Amino acid sequence: QVTLKESGPGILQPSQTLSLTCTFSGFSLSTYGMGVGWIRQPSGKGLEWLANIWWDDDKYYNPSLKNRLTISKDTSNNQAFLKITNVDTADTATYYCARIGYNSGSYWFAYWGQGTLVTVSS
Amino acid sequence: DTVLTQSPALAVSPGERVTISCRASESVSTGMHWYQQKPGQQPKLLIYGASNLESGVPARFSGSGSGTDFTLTIDPVEADDTATYFCQQSWNDPYTFGAGTKLELK
Repeated sequence: QVTLKESGPGILQPSQTLSLTCTFSGFSLSTYGMGVGWIRQPSGKGLEWLANIWWDDDKYYNPSLKNRLTISKDTSNNQAFLKITNVDTADTATYYCARIGYNSGSYWFAYWGQGTLVTVSS
Repeated sequence: DTVLTQSPALAVSPGERVTISCRASESVSTGMHWYQQKPGQQPKLLIYGASNLESGVPARFSGSGSGTDFTLTIDPVEADDTATYFCQQSWNDPYTFGAGTKLELK
């Protein structure tokens, strides 16, 4: 059974760095083909893909945020991480991590965590 | 970026057939996927690769299309299908999502 759970600070101030953790079970990020992505959703709005990390440590970022994002993993503890630097109120959102499914060059988010709400406020 | 356009809302009666559309600003081949999101919950994968039903998803859900025009069909609609439905493309970088179609039951 695949499960994912996000954790984060809840609230932080503008200009700070947001650190998010995704703790998962039911798969290993050291297994060939496995990947985890981060997606966020402002309240009442749509979804925005942020970054992916793969079993071989390949990393892909949304160019609109690339300069502020760092994705990483700890395979021995079944965790993935996302850092966003210099946050502002526009980064207020629910942040999800998800295990990636893929086939023939197409990638989707097969399993999602419950999300963690992050509020940026002074 | 590839823009995905969805109708904002639909209202149907239980037992009816509903089609939810997603149009891409450029071809995404069959790299289109559909998710269901109920209030307060995370999105749930329904369809991947334009037409493949995710395991455990009722056969009332189906997907079709390729290139720029895609459809999610629910037939018949049940009361539990009240939700927002998002399309997502992964053919072009970066991955993008549609704004969602809110399905309400009459």
